[in-house]
Formats: sequence, C-alpha cells, structure tokens
Amino acid sequence: AQSVSQHNHHVILSEAASLELGCNYSYGGTVNLFWYVQYPGQHLQLLLKYFSGDPLVKGIKGFEAEFIKSKFSFNLRKPSVQWSDTAEYFCAVNARGSQGNLIFGKGTKLSVKP
Amino acid sequence: DGGITQSPKYLFRKEGQNVTLSCEQNLNHDAMYWYRQDPGQGLRLIYYSQIVNDFQKGDIAEGYSVSREKKESFPLTVTSAQKNPTAFYLCASTSDRGGEQYFGPGTRLTVT
Repeated sequence: AQSVSQHNHHVILSEAASLELGCNYSYGGTVNLFWYVQYPGQHLQLLLKYFSGDPLVKGIKGFEAEFIKSKFSFNLRKPSVQWSDTAEYFCAVNARGSQGNLIFGKGTKLSVKP
Repeated sequence: DGGITQSPKYLFRKEGQNVTLSCEQNLNHDAMYWYRQDPGQGLRLIYYSQIVNDFQKGDIAEGYSVSREKKESFPLTVTSAQKNPTAFYLCASTSDRGGEQYFGPGTRLTVT
C-alpha cells in the first residue's frame, strides 16, 4: 500500500531562518506530488505540485520543492520564513493510473517566532 | 464565487445520534471526497465519488455513509456505529482525478 512519511511533527523556527520539511513516499510507479498548507482557521490550500518535467517546482509565497525520484522524496523548502508561514503543512501523493485518490502524510506543524 | 461550502462550521451531537454533514460545490467537478482530520494523523479518506449516483469506500468508511444524488452535493452521515466520531471533517472536489483537490472550510463535529 502507498504511504507518505513526513519526518517532523513540529518545527519551530525564528523569522528569516531557512526551512526544509521532509516528505518521502512509498510507491514504485509514477506519481503526482503535492504540498498543501493549512493556515490557522483557513481552508487547506495547494502550495505547489509536481506532475512531470523540471523536478524543482516553485509554488506560492516563495516555497519550492524538489522531487528526487531515486530517494522517493519531495522536500519542501523556503530560504527565509516569515511569521505568517506559521501553519500546518501536508505532503500528498497520487499514484498515476489509480483511482485518483490522494494519500496524505500526517502533517508538519510549523511555528515561526517573530 | 466558485468554491466548496460545508455547513455547519461546528456541530454538537449526543452519542447514539446520527448526524449529516453538508458539502456543496459549484465548481462543476465530477469527483468529490470526504476526509477526516485528527491531530497528528493527517487526512484520512472516508468516502469518494467520481460520478453522480456512484461512490466508493475509502480507508476508514466504517460507521459512515454517503449519497451522491446531484453533482453539486455529497453529504456525509456519521452514524451511531462510528466509534470515535469527534473530529474535523473536510470535503474536497476535483475535475481531474489525480490532480489538485479543492477543499471546503471543514466541519468540526463534537459528540458527547
């Protein structure tokens, strides 16, 4: 069965620090990859996605993620976080050719100290 | 305004009662999904529907039921058989299976 692992449950950073959130998945075939963000009191929304092409994808609010196929990873990065990045971040994977269902990781809570 | 609406935002019920959560979308999406979110558990799929009048169980369907009589609507009933119903419930939809899913604001259900 497919699964998604997010390595950190809670990350605490100061403003201007760099961020990297890990995401690994277990599926041998071709996948679509997503990072979603849930700001306090707001809808879950898409940060970025990877379907094919350049493995380095850029999303909203200065976030980017790199797909490394050999490592089954899709880590999320931001060079300099802001207090407004405080949120919960979810990695999700869809196996192409499947029913289209997303498998989500357990999420990483990011707290940014002003 | 296009989007997904879920109502109500907060719902309180007594143990033993069935309760129905509403999900409506005006995005003209074929596929709709129900997820349950618990702290530290991520999102877990309860039921999904890829077309009107058809739906499939997800990973944690026990104690839940759904219907899909209209394209825009995908209500979820939490039955008294669900052992631990208190949770945050999220509805989503997509026009592209395998693509981005769009989420509603969620309903927080508390059963006491």
